[in-house]
Amino acid sequence: QKEVEQDPGPLSVPEGAIVSLNCTYSNSAFQYFMWYRQYSRKGPELLMYTYSSGNKEDGRFTAQVDKSSKYISLFIRDSQPSDSATYLCAIHQAGTALIFGKGTTLSVSS
Amino acid sequence: DAGVIQSPRHEVTEMGQEVTLRCKPISGHNSLFWYRQTMMRGLELLIYFNNNVPIDDSGMPEDRFSAKMPNASFSTLKIQPSEPRDSAVYFCASSPRATGVETQYFGPGTRLLVL
Repeated sequence: QKEVEQDPGPLSVPEGAIVSLNCTYSNSAFQYFMWYRQYSRKGPELLMYTYSSGNKEDGRFTAQVDKSSKYISLFIRDSQPSDSATYLCAIHQAGTALIFGKGTTLSVSS
Repeated sequence: DAGVIQSPRHEVTEMGQEVTLRCKPISGHNSLFWYRQTMMRGLELLIYFNNNVPIDDSGMPEDRFSAKMPNASFSTLKIQPSEPRDSAVYFCASSPRATGVETQYFGPGTRLLVL
């Protein structure tokens, strides 16, 4: 089993929809859970991160971690065409390198 | 801040040729990472440096790949000889490596095509 699993999609939604992006992981020792966004032909950029379990909200974006299920989610409310990108989850323990999911490609149509 | 700088942005070469990719990390960041991204395998960590010292090179595919970081502001990834299966986007990222969460800043990538 890979350390991080992420459905590659693609995921297509209309503008204004609520989007749910998800990853599962295998090692319960992971402490930091992150979401990167990658626009076409660009490098990934950090969108937000959470430490341990719980929710974190930043504008239209909410990151959620369920450590008991080893499941992390990113919700996008009122999705916009500018949200069209690939979203990569990433996890790590303190002092270790990031482990990335393969990314989910999202397309938001106007 | 100029961000992470990579060069060249695009490289087309023939099988067997040597390829050198270059990276300038963000000033003050003490960790540097080289990644390779393909559709099939996603984003793979090749090697990372902390304070110019290689810490983990277990992701380097084989001896044809080598990486150096001679100083805090420059790193190279070399492929010699190159093969068509090396075609991918290569990213460099840097991090301030503070304790706790690892926040990496990626460069724009080098698109490599080996014919």
